[in-house]
Amino acid sequence: GDSVTQMEGPVTLSEEAFLTINCTYTATGYPSLFWYVQYPGEGLQLLLKATKADDKGSNKGFEATYRKETTSFHLEKGSVQVSDSAVYFCALSGKNTGNQFYFGTGTSLTVIP
Amino acid sequence: GAVVSQHPSRVICKSGTSVKIECRSLDFQATTMFWYRQFPKKSLMLMATSNEGSKATYEQGVEKDKFLINHASLTLSTLTVTSAHPEDSSFYICSAPAVATDTQYFGPGTRLTVL
Repeated sequence: GDSVTQMEGPVTLSEEAFLTINCTYTATGYPSLFWYVQYPGEGLQLLLKATKADDKGSNKGFEATYRKETTSFHLEKGSVQVSDSAVYFCALSGKNTGNQFYFGTGTSLTVIP
Repeated sequence: GAVVSQHPSRVICKSGTSVKIECRSLDFQATTMFWYRQFPKKSLMLMATSNEGSKATYEQGVEKDKFLINHASLTLSTLTVTSAHPEDSSFYICSAPAVATDTQYFGPGTRLTVL
């Protein structure tokens, strides 16, 4: 079945460091891919998404490219800030899943000054 | 953008009581809503799919009589945790798909603590 495998954390980085959080997926058909972010004590917020191969989603300095050949959707940011500290979830959804979302286990990021 | 609200944001109740959590889509209609449960430091677990005008679809292992779901209108779904016990303490999150897209909008979550 459809699934998402996400890099385990926790990840601790210094401010202005480069961030990569790996995400790979298994799916039938061509799902849409998402990154959601959850700040402490809050619900999930959509960070970015890509709906087809080679699409790049971007928001707030974060980027992820839908790579069909490697079934990946790695999240990157060139220079993290303390305010980026949160839990990041990779997810997929699509017509083949009936709009049901499949989430990765989440990666906790802590950015220290 | 589309907004989904949940009420209450936090609730503390005694063991044996029932708790109702509301999920509303504020500026769009949702024939389907999803209910998730999130355990500490874990991912979201889909509990059930709420369908407007019909019965909810529950995931394997989720007790239908324990977690009652009612999708009363195109903008409201409710989750009632019946006869709550301490092990039901968790973070409950709902989501609704935006019309004509595959993007889900998530509510802010409800923190349930059962004493």
